[in-house]
Amino acid sequence: GEDVEQSLFLSVREGDSSVINCTYTDSSSTYLYWYKQEPGAGLQLLTYIFSNMDMKQDQRLTVLLNKKDKHLSLRIADTQTGDSAIYFCAELGDSNYQLIWGAGTKLIIKP
Amino acid sequence: ETGVTQTPRHLVMGMTNKKSLKCEQHLGHNAMYWYKQSAKKPLELMFVYNFKEQTENNSVPSRFSPECPNSSHLFLHLHTLQPEDSALYLCASSQEGQGGTEAFFGQGTRLTVV
Repeated sequence: GEDVEQSLFLSVREGDSSVINCTYTDSSSTYLYWYKQEPGAGLQLLTYIFSNMDMKQDQRLTVLLNKKDKHLSLRIADTQTGDSAIYFCAELGDSNYQLIWGAGTKLIIKP
Repeated sequence: ETGVTQTPRHLVMGMTNKKSLKCEQHLGHNAMYWYKQSAKKPLELMFVYNFKEQTENNSVPSRFSPECPNSSHLFLHLHTLQPEDSALYLCASSQEGQGGTEAFFGQGTRLTVV
């Protein structure tokens, strides 16, 4: 079946860029999402990209999509302590219209 | 304020208890979802309701019983749970029929089965 994979942890220094990676298997994905979950909170949509795009930028966030390799990344420029959270990658398949989720990457910020 | 409210935030229950989780959305959405979030595992979709009709049941054990009395409210009734059911249960809503639309999540109920 469809699968979405992410590393469980990423540690970066405050002020550096964070790059969170995600791979997926469904070649019919229409939309790919990044959600953020802060401690004690529900998931919040951070950004999304349509499958016919290869890049989307929104302030400090840059999403890159390599559809050939089925690879999605989220770059956070100038990482701040407030960016500490778990980041979930999800893809919306064309077949069943359900979101398929990764396990989440915990972003740890070092001072 | 996310527009999706879940109660209670925390719940501890014994294996013989019966309890219910509640979710409420004031966003006018027509679809509501229950997800199970366990540590280091992908989010698991449990149930989907579209216009109050259940459209998905992803092989969830019968000890979990959803109820959607109207398009704004969703319940998850729990009975005779197992310790491995301890997890964060998230409710979400969206406006179905609009591809790529955002799903709004509640803060979740942290369930501990003892």
